[in-house]
Amino acid sequence: DAGVIQSPRHEVTEMGQEVTLRCKPISGHNSLFWYRQTMMRGLELLIYFNNNVPIDDSGMPEDRFSAKMPNASFSTLKIQPSEPRDSAVYFCASSRGTGPNEKLFFGSGTQLSVL
Amino acid sequence: DAKTTQPNSMESNEEEPVHLPCNHSTISGTDYIHWYRQLPSQGPEYVIHGLTSNVNNRMASLAIAEDRKSSTLILHRATLRDAAVYYCIPQGAQKLVFGQGTRLTINP
Repeated sequence: DAGVIQSPRHEVTEMGQEVTLRCKPISGHNSLFWYRQTMMRGLELLIYFNNNVPIDDSGMPEDRFSAKMPNASFSTLKIQPSEPRDSAVYFCASSRGTGPNEKLFFGSGTQLSVL
Repeated sequence: DAKTTQPNSMESNEEEPVHLPCNHSTISGTDYIHWYRQLPSQGPEYVIHGLTSNVNNRMASLAIAEDRKSSTLILHRATLRDAAVYYCIPQGAQKLVFGQGTRLTINP
């Protein structure tokens, strides 16, 4: 299996532009997670889905952030408009199912720089 | 979510054992104890997890205190590739909440 695939690996954009990050979870995994990592705040959970349905989006910073999962093999995280404080590494992760016994598998991340 | 306390950093020598401690005194009875690590410029990766009994796998061992208020991740023979940030995460719900972790440095 190729693992969790994220694209792009790096994104540089200007303030005010729309940014779309993409994630392909491991085939057969039913849960998908979006995390953000910065030096100041560490790893933060933004949102997670079960069976393509958003379950908990309490970590989404504000309305500029939105996430979708149109099918079991694809998810997007969109920032519109982007701001310099959104600069971070964004990770996508997937797991087979729900419950506290499940392991998460992470992608390599998207390094986002908003100028 | 249970609160965890880990040393900010630890240092060890190559080919020596490493014991990484974690206190999770507010853990509930159904929380699993997960350990993940993050190598430089990579996403976190799963290391090991357990509920009550000690656990072993090819990467590490996990020793869980009898009262479950603390645990220790054991790397039996550290290599330079084990240099990473190690996260201890008691997990009661599906979502994993990461703390600051322990930055492990391995000296050649």
